[in-house]
Amino acid sequence: GNSVTQMEGPVTLSEEAFLTINCTYTATGYPSLFWYVQYPGEGLQLLLKATKADDKGSNKGFEATYRKETTSFHLEKGSVQVSDSAVYFCALIASGGSYIPTFGRGTSLIVHP
Amino acid sequence: EAEVAQSPRYKITEKSQAVAFWCDPISGHATLYWYRQILGQGPELLVQFQDESVVDDSQLPKDRFSAERLKGVDSTLKIQPAELGDSAMYLCASSLAGTFTDTQYFGPGTRLTVL
Repeated sequence: GNSVTQMEGPVTLSEEAFLTINCTYTATGYPSLFWYVQYPGEGLQLLLKATKADDKGSNKGFEATYRKETTSFHLEKGSVQVSDSAVYFCALIASGGSYIPTFGRGTSLIVHP
Repeated sequence: EAEVAQSPRYKITEKSQAVAFWCDPISGHATLYWYRQILGQGPELLVQFQDESVVDDSQLPKDRFSAERLKGVDSTLKIQPAELGDSAMYLCASSLAGTFTDTQYFGPGTRLTVL
């Protein structure tokens, strides 16, 4: 079956620090990969996505590169802000079968001023 | 900007009661998803519709949960009877065609508390 594994949180950083949140996956078929962000009490919002190997998704200073050889899609940002404090979810949809989405458990990010 | 609408935003009920949640996807989106998100965990897919047909409901506890999307537009998720373990956030999402490259757009969710 399909699965997504994210690094355990919370990740606690000072403002302007470099961020990496690790995500690895297993999938039958050829997946698209997504990062979603969830602010307290809200639904999920798409942050970025990549649909084929070596693609780089980017948005709001966040980046992630689809690495097929390491089955990874790590999220990075060069300089975090307090407003980036949220929970980040890595997800995939595999191309084989019924396109059922699979989410990771989420990684909480806390940014201090 | 079009959004996925959900109601109610919050629901408190006693165990053994019936509850229902409503979702209105973005206009023109053929695929609709219901997820359950337990605090501190990722969303778990309960049911996926393509138009009015169920694509997957393998994780839906069918003895107590039901979902319908009769006209292929809005959808209702029902729990009867509710149990303490059903306390969670229920999220609805929609996507244009449900292919593996499609982006899902999420609603704000319904927070259910079962007492």
